[in-house]
Amino acid sequence: NAGVTQTPKFRVLKTGQSMTLLCAQDMNHEYMYWYRQDPGMGLRLIHYSVGEGTTAKGEVPDGYNVSRLKKQNFLLGLESAAPSQTSVYFCASSRTGNSPFFGSGTQLSVL
Amino acid sequence: AQTVTQSQPEMSVQEAETVTLSCTYDTSESDYYLFWYKQPPSRQMILVIRQEAYKQQNATENRFSVNFQKAAKSFSLKISDSQLGDAAMYFCAYRSENYGQNFVFGPGTRLSVLP
Repeated sequence: NAGVTQTPKFRVLKTGQSMTLLCAQDMNHEYMYWYRQDPGMGLRLIHYSVGEGTTAKGEVPDGYNVSRLKKQNFLLGLESAAPSQTSVYFCASSRTGNSPFFGSGTQLSVL
Repeated sequence: AQTVTQSQPEMSVQEAETVTLSCTYDTSESDYYLFWYKQPPSRQMILVIRQEAYKQQNATENRFSVNFQKAAKSFSLKISDSQLGDAAMYFCAYRSENYGQNFVFGPGTRLSVLP
């Protein structure tokens, strides 16, 4: 079982560039999440989705957009990357909204 | 808003010994869930243990157990017979039963296991 797969695993961007992070899950989970992890701050929720075609803002949504066109995929977009968005990004999914399964993370550096 | 505090940025334990990681949280709600996640150097987030607030019995998973003190809003993790593979970052997390899907994570405790 692949579980939750994130692509890419590493990326370096220049300020102002755009990119999309892809999250795919093969567990037929309804709920999907995007978190960012910064040193000393744990994980903070960026956006989440409670089902296909739905999205909602989390704790730190500014500068990010998301889409959930298919149940198994949850995309995170950065339209104009900033150095403050340098972080490790985690995608997660869950069936009931509890005990999410996490992907292995994407290390993003914005120069 | 709920907050989760882990007051120990770093801890160390001798192999085969027992260690306790602390977690406190702030909430006005009565129904919620608490979790401990482990993050080894591979970066993968792994669920260690989960506790429902309505359950008085402390959760246990093999060598891992919790001490859940609802009135004190405390949720500590005890690791018995520590192994080298237990070395990792440990995150405490809170999720409300009544609101949305936001898991609130603490800042983490880095655990080292000494041979």
